[in-house]
Amino acid sequence: DQQVKQNSPSLSVQEGRISILNCDYTNSMFDYFLWYKKYPAEGPTFLISISSIKDKNEDGRFTVFLNKSAKHLSLHIVPSQPGDSAVYFCAASASYKYIFGTGTRLKVLA
Amino acid sequence: NAGVMQNPRHLVRRRGQEARLRCSPMKGHSHVYWYRQLPEEGLKFMVYLQKENIIDESGMPKERFSAEFPKEGPSILRIQQVVRGDSAAYFCASSYDRGGNQPQHFGDGTRLSIL
Repeated sequence: DQQVKQNSPSLSVQEGRISILNCDYTNSMFDYFLWYKKYPAEGPTFLISISSIKDKNEDGRFTVFLNKSAKHLSLHIVPSQPGDSAVYFCAASASYKYIFGTGTRLKVLA
Repeated sequence: NAGVMQNPRHLVRRRGQEARLRCSPMKGHSHVYWYRQLPEEGLKFMVYLQKENIIDESGMPKERFSAEFPKEGPSILRIQQVVRGDSAAYFCASSYDRGGNQPQHFGDGTRLSIL
């Protein structure tokens, strides 16, 4: 039972444009959501998070949106840069246990 | 480097041998988590430890796998009598506090290959 789903395995975006990565979840008990970026042969790097009491959190080029009624969150990267090319994982938590999606591979084209 | 340190980065074992994976958390962090990632999948929670205590091992197979986080030294994930299906990337994470809005920070993982 996949509680956190990233339905797009891959995404290609032109440099300078917006990248939108999506994530859906099923467990209404989740109250903390995170995005991680992962390069090959490295560990996930924390990017940005949002608690369930908010619907938006922004940090530089990265913005996370949370729609609790739809059980959906998204990560917006604008403007996208070639260095953003990586696999992005969303994660959700009701406590200390993170449930990860299967990742979306983002490729930013120069 | 004050990040989460894992070693070895790569570990090759033959079936039936033991694998020991080590993790030193970030400075000041006393909460350690182990996750496993199979190819083309997301990370799956295995175990959560605080100093000298296992808090939650619900994601860890009951047989052959064990974890510890002693008062001194790194956390250890131990896999006895390894089988081919144990081949995966094992990631350790640490946090300053449990739960709440404290992100877990990950090490670069140990890639375990079973021959």
